[in-house]
Order: sequence, then C-alpha cells, then structure tokens
Amino acid sequence: AQKVTQAQTEISVVEKEDVTLDCVYETRDTTYYLFWYKQPPSGELVFLIRRNSFDEQNEISGRYSWNFQKSTSSFNFTITASQVVDSAVYFCALSAPNNAGNMLTFGGGTRLMVKP
Amino acid sequence: KAGVTQTPRYLIKTRGQQVTLSCSPISGHRSVSWYQQTPGQGLQFLFEYFSETQRNKGNFPGRFSGRQFSNSRSEMNVSTLELGDSALYLCASSLGYGTISDEQYFGPGTRLTVT
Repeated sequence: AQKVTQAQTEISVVEKEDVTLDCVYETRDTTYYLFWYKQPPSGELVFLIRRNSFDEQNEISGRYSWNFQKSTSSFNFTITASQVVDSAVYFCALSAPNNAGNMLTFGGGTRLMVKP
Repeated sequence: KAGVTQTPRYLIKTRGQQVTLSCSPISGHRSVSWYQQTPGQGLQFLFEYFSETQRNKGNFPGRFSGRQFSNSRSEMNVSTLELGDSALYLCASSLGYGTISDEQYFGPGTRLTVT
C-alpha cells in the first residue's frame, strides 16, 4: 500500500520569507512517480511538478525548487521569497504501478498562508 | 485548449436522494478520474475510466458509481445520499495511454452539500 504524509498541516510566513513544505512517502514499488499540486481557494488542483523514482536530481523552476531524496523517502518543496499569491493548500501525491491506471495517493495537504 | 469542466459547480441535495455529476475532459484525453475531498478524509480516489471502461476503483461503497461515454465525458452517480457524502468532488483528465506517469489535470470541482 502507498502512503503520503505531510506533517505540516498549516504554515504561516511573512512575504519574502523562504518556506519548505515537507513530504514523506511510503511504497514498496521501485518505480513510482511523485507529484506536487497547488489548490488555491477556487478549489482547482494545479499541477506543479512530476518526478520519477529514478531521477533524484533536484529541480528549480523560478522561485520553486524540489528536493527528492530516496534514502529518506522525501520529496520536499521550497518556495523562495514567498509572495501572497503563494497562499494555498499544497498537496504531495504518489502514483505507483501496483494499481492499474492513474490513481494518485495524496497527502493530507499543507495550508500555506503568506502574510504581507 | 479548454481545461477540464465540471457541472454543476454547486449542488444541494437531501439525504436519500441521488445525484449525478458531470465531467468533460480536455480534448484528446481519454482517462477520467474522480476524487472526493473532505476536511476529515482529505483527497480520496474514487475511480478511473479509460475508453469507457473502469480501469481502477478506490475503496468506496457501491452507492458510488460512474461511467464514461465514447467522447470521454464522464459522469459519476451517488445514490441514497448520506450526510457524509458532502464533499468537493474533483474530476481529473489525462491522456491515459501511460499508467502511473500521466499528468492529471483537474477541474474546478463540484461542491455537494447533503442536508
């Protein structure tokens, strides 16, 4: 069975601070994919990144960066110089092949509040 | 390219009634998945359809069902509604040809309130 844990339920920062959202996952599969999604107040989940289990390179996209470490089963997400528009709920998710198709297992989410 | 659309956006129903929610995927996408989001249980997978066939199913009672049409549009139905069915129901579409690696694009959701 797969499991994703986001231990931080809520984080509050002041604009321009850096913030890291933690994600720890469990799976017995050697091939799997990890995702991060953003859910603004409108409710729609917005895709941010996908990472496969064989690619441990860190990735940077503008103010966003992701650190994938298989040794600790973690896939953490850092926002540099946070902005008010970053306020949202962020979900980490896992997809693994012991399920047919496209099932995502989500973590509980981290609510990020960025104050001006 | 139009995104995933879901109708209706909001719905209020009474216990015991049934409800049908609709999802139109992104053009060219053949896989449609449904998720339930509640404050207590978070985001949970309901089922996935690909080429009109249910390909995967989550751990929900038989009151929850779905189908997919030849144009890839999908509907989900909940019969004999219970208070606990109040949730945001999210639909996601993907190309569907891959399995675990497809990027899923989510719609805005249908917020169902059961009274």
